[in-house]
Amino acid sequence: AAGVIQSPRHLIKEKRETATLKCYPIPRHDTVYWYQQGPGQDPQFLISFYEKMQSDKGSIPDRFSAQQFSDYHSELNMSSLELGDSALYFCASSSNRLAGGEQYFGPGTRLTVT
Amino acid sequence: GDSVTQMEGPVTLSEEAFLTINCTYTATGYPSLFWYVQYPGEGLQLLLKATKADDKGSNKGFEATYRKETTSFHLEKGSVQVSDSAVYFCALNTGGFKTIFGAGTRLFVKA
Repeated sequence: AAGVIQSPRHLIKEKRETATLKCYPIPRHDTVYWYQQGPGQDPQFLISFYEKMQSDKGSIPDRFSAQQFSDYHSELNMSSLELGDSALYFCASSSNRLAGGEQYFGPGTRLTVT
Repeated sequence: GDSVTQMEGPVTLSEEAFLTINCTYTATGYPSLFWYVQYPGEGLQLLLKATKADDKGSNKGFEATYRKETTSFHLEKGSVQVSDSAVYFCALNTGGFKTIFGAGTRLFVKA
């Protein structure tokens, strides 16, 4: 079965640079979520999109923005990168949130800021 | 606000031992409850879920029962294997677009 695809899997950037992470949800899933997971930490919710509209916002820094496109893929744009942005970034997708909020996670993008 | 509290790790067990990882929650509504597992270097995978009180979720020998009276969703397995070594996250969703995760419990299983 198709899973959530994230690209790139690894990314190395320098401070103050920008980064774009991409997420391709499971086909026919209408909701995408972004999470940030620091070393040894639980995933922290950043933002979500339902039917291409922002549906909820968590602890996403103002330097970050995201959107969901007409084909339902999503991109997380990160600017003015800081050392503290080094983390694993997960995308998850779901379909029909009324069915219990079950999310399917991608393998993550490991971002290292030097 | 909504929150999830799970027991701190790491938990170290010998193969075939009994596993319990405690999870309690606070929620204003009637949440769905989940256990996710994260193997080294991988993303989170849904292990099991329960959507209403007294439901029992089960998968791969793991079980958890939704206890509304104690606001708990403890994860159990009767006989763990080395391959169960991973980080386990308890989580809840109250029907919105955000899932709240616990801090995670790392499990080490020794042969």
